[in-house]
Amino acid sequence: DTEVTQTPKHLVMGMTNKKSLKCEQHMGHRAMYWYKQKAKKPPELMFVYSYEKLSINESVPSRFSPECPNSSLLNLHLHALQPEDSALYLCASSQETRAREQFFGPGTRLTVL
Amino acid sequence: LAKTTQPISMDSYEGQEVNITCSHNNIATNDYITWYQQFPSQGPRFIIQGYKTKVTNEVASLFIPADRKSSTLSLPRVSLSDTAVYYCLGRLKYGGSQGNLIFGKGTKLSVKP
Repeated sequence: DTEVTQTPKHLVMGMTNKKSLKCEQHMGHRAMYWYKQKAKKPPELMFVYSYEKLSINESVPSRFSPECPNSSLLNLHLHALQPEDSALYLCASSQETRAREQFFGPGTRLTVL
Repeated sequence: LAKTTQPISMDSYEGQEVNITCSHNNIATNDYITWYQQFPSQGPRFIIQGYKTKVTNEVASLFIPADRKSSTLSLPRVSLSDTAVYYCLGRLKYGGSQGNLIFGKGTKLSVKP
């Protein structure tokens, strides 16, 4: 299994809602990532998990809260988002953080109203 | 940080060979050059990676001259399905054991019939 899966595919939420994005991989990868991608822009790194521990937070606002329950799962909890947070949220994994080959999921298209 | 520069867009026709050049003037001696492909509404996909000279796989070839200040991704006989954004990546953002990807602006390749 060489896939990274993400749910849901689409999410619409209000600014007062709490929602979560989920990501799963079964490749035995020990590094997992969250990226944010706005329309016609490149992906921007948000968080890096290495061996289930948060190793990098790219100064992301606290309304985004990552969680890594186990080596196969990565969540992104969302609370009190702003309309400008609307974007494609991509999850990726790699064997380790030094690896340049990352496997990306299809993303969750988030719209904040 | 090593910055990469590549054309914003390119047009081609089916069956042609496409060469996309990326400039990375201040790449470090231990950095690899990596290319990703992204289709609309999908996550990026690793294509190829190299350090110097030429690397070829089933998808593309990568040419890196001796000074390593640039690299060229070559796609042989493109088809409509090769229409995508192609990203050239140089240095990992943090290097060492906490490396991760910095996506440049990418080249939007449009293949026409």
